[in-house]
Amino acid sequence: NAGVTQTPKFQVLKTGQSMTLQCAQDMNHNSMYWYRQDPGMGLRLIYYSASEGTTDKGEVPNGYNVSRLNKREFSLRLESAAPSQTSVYFCASSENSGYTEAFFGQGTRLTVV
Amino acid sequence: DQQVKQNSPSLSVQEGRISILNCDYTNSMFDYFLWYKKYPAEGPTFLISISSIKDKNEDGRFTVFLNKSAKHLSLHIVPSQPGDSAVYFCAASGLGRLYFGRGTQLTVWP
Repeated sequence: NAGVTQTPKFQVLKTGQSMTLQCAQDMNHNSMYWYRQDPGMGLRLIYYSASEGTTDKGEVPNGYNVSRLNKREFSLRLESAAPSQTSVYFCASSENSGYTEAFFGQGTRLTVV
Repeated sequence: DQQVKQNSPSLSVQEGRISILNCDYTNSMFDYFLWYKKYPAEGPTFLISISSIKDKNEDGRFTVFLNKSAKHLSLHIVPSQPGDSAVYFCAASGLGRLYFGRGTQLTVWP
């Protein structure tokens, strides 16, 4: 009954370091998403994958890359972390890219110092 | 430019009374709307949705109303309970993705 699993839950990085946030879903969903949540800014879409093999930019893609490894997994990579990327990151999945609810993971709290 | 707006960052309501959370959108192409609830240190969870062909959808204590001409939707919680205290996000579906508002912090006090 896992749903959407994100790893790690917490991470501290130094400016310039790189890291990959992992996300996996076990609901056989076609679409997956990465959001960031900042105080007063709500949920902003970074990248999404409407189906396996496709990825598209969202509202705030700069500084990030993604990989849809297979139908289950969608990773988010920060190549050179910056303090402005300090945020809570949420992965989500949905059956399709419209008309269906998205299910969210528990989030990754990232601090860049 | 924000396409989904929640203009009230916070709302405080006494237990047992009605909570009304509001949301406005700008894009007439949106045709499916959702409300999510988020507790601290957890991911958002789906609460209720409405299709643009309806003007009301009810699920227990939660009702969502849609006014397409005004591009406005609202979430009513009756009666409000302390456990409803959370951040509520409005979302609209269009162009293959969800667009979220900035959220409203609801506090229900005894």
